[in-house]
Amino acid sequence: GDSVTQMEGPVTLSEEAFLTINCTYTATGYPSLFWYVQYPGEGLQLLLKATKADDKGSNKGFEATYRKETTSFHLEKGSVQVSDSAVYFCALSAQGSGYALNFGKGTSLLVTP
Amino acid sequence: DTAVSQTPKYLVTQMGNDKSIKCEQNLGHDTMYWYKQDSKKFLKIMFSYNNKELIINETVPNRFSPKSPDKAHLNLHINSLELGDSAVYFCASRLSGDRVNEQYFGPGTRLTVT
Repeated sequence: GDSVTQMEGPVTLSEEAFLTINCTYTATGYPSLFWYVQYPGEGLQLLLKATKADDKGSNKGFEATYRKETTSFHLEKGSVQVSDSAVYFCALSAQGSGYALNFGKGTSLLVTP
Repeated sequence: DTAVSQTPKYLVTQMGNDKSIKCEQNLGHDTMYWYKQDSKKFLKIMFSYNNKELIINETVPNRFSPKSPDKAHLNLHINSLELGDSAVYFCASRLSGDRVNEQYFGPGTRLTVT
């Protein structure tokens, strides 16, 4: 079945450092790909999305590119801030699973001043 | 206006009790989902309804019973609560036919079983 693998955390970075969180997927067909963010004590917020190969999703300085050849959707940000500290989830949805989101295990990010 | 709302936000109850969580969306969506987030933050689909019809029913104990009285509501009833049911339950909705398949999440219900 479909699955999402993302790098284990926690990730600790200093403010203004470069961030990469790796995400790879396994899916039949052509899934949509997402990054969700969960701030401490809060619900899930959609951070960015991509629906087809080579699409680049971007939001709030974060970006990720849908790479079909490597089945990847890595999240990047050039300069992180303390306020970016949160748990980040990579996810896919596909027709075969009723478009339910299939999440990775989440990566906890802590940004220190 | 809240797009996807859940009640209650917090629920503390004892083992063996029966409880319900309610979800409502005012986005005009026709598909709704329940997800469970465990203590390790892992998120997993439980159920999905499309136009009041159950379309996804993952491997969930039959103590859990979803009900969708109309397209805007999806409730979750849990019988004979167990310690392992403690988790955060998220409701979500989407519009079928949406090419992006974006889902909108509620704020979550934190269930604690003692």
